[in-house]
Amino acid sequence: DAGVIQSPRHEVTEMGQEVTLRCKPISGHDYLFWYRQTMMRGLELLIYFNNNVPIDDSGMPEDRFSAKMPNASFSTLKIQPSEPRDSAVYFCASNLGGLAGGLTDTQYFGPGTRLTVL
Amino acid sequence: AQTVTQSQPEMSVQEAETVTLSCTYDTSENNYYLFWYKQPPSRQMILVIRQEAYKQQNATENRFSVNFQKAAKSFSLKISDSQLGDTAMYFCAFMKHTSGTYKYIFGTGTRLKVLA
Repeated sequence: DAGVIQSPRHEVTEMGQEVTLRCKPISGHDYLFWYRQTMMRGLELLIYFNNNVPIDDSGMPEDRFSAKMPNASFSTLKIQPSEPRDSAVYFCASNLGGLAGGLTDTQYFGPGTRLTVL
Repeated sequence: AQTVTQSQPEMSVQEAETVTLSCTYDTSENNYYLFWYKQPPSRQMILVIRQEAYKQQNATENRFSVNFQKAAKSFSLKISDSQLGDTAMYFCAFMKHTSGTYKYIFGTGTRLKVLA
């Protein structure tokens, strides 16, 4: 398997523009997670999906952020309008899920998207 | 609320030596999971080792082992025979999974540099 795939790897945009980050989880994984990593706040969980349904979006910083998962193999994280403070590395991760406590809970991360908002 | 604390922002170790990275956490849960992730300069997050809280035996993966002290809520990572390729940020993480609901908390990381 190719692992979790994210695109683009780097994104530079201007304040006010819409930004869309993309993620393809590992095939067969039921859970997909979006994280944001900054120097100040470390790694924060933004939202996660189970079988394409958002389960917990309490980490989404504000209404400018939205995430969708239209099918099992694709998810997007959108920021509209973007602001300089959104500059960070955004990670997508997936895991198989299943019974609580199994090895299937191990998360596999994508390579991340480095977002710079000028 | 759960918290994860890594009190060592930076560490260095000589090649072939052993180093221990500290992690403490706070939770009222009894069943949970702990992880160490490695993030090299490539930025990729790589799972190093995982520990189930219900297991008393410390997890081991080749040169990597943990010292899990449940009562003390401590979860340190020991790297033996350090290699230059071990240079990276290391993150400790807490995970609770209950009936399809996940809670993941990451520490702020320890930057490890292995010196030649």
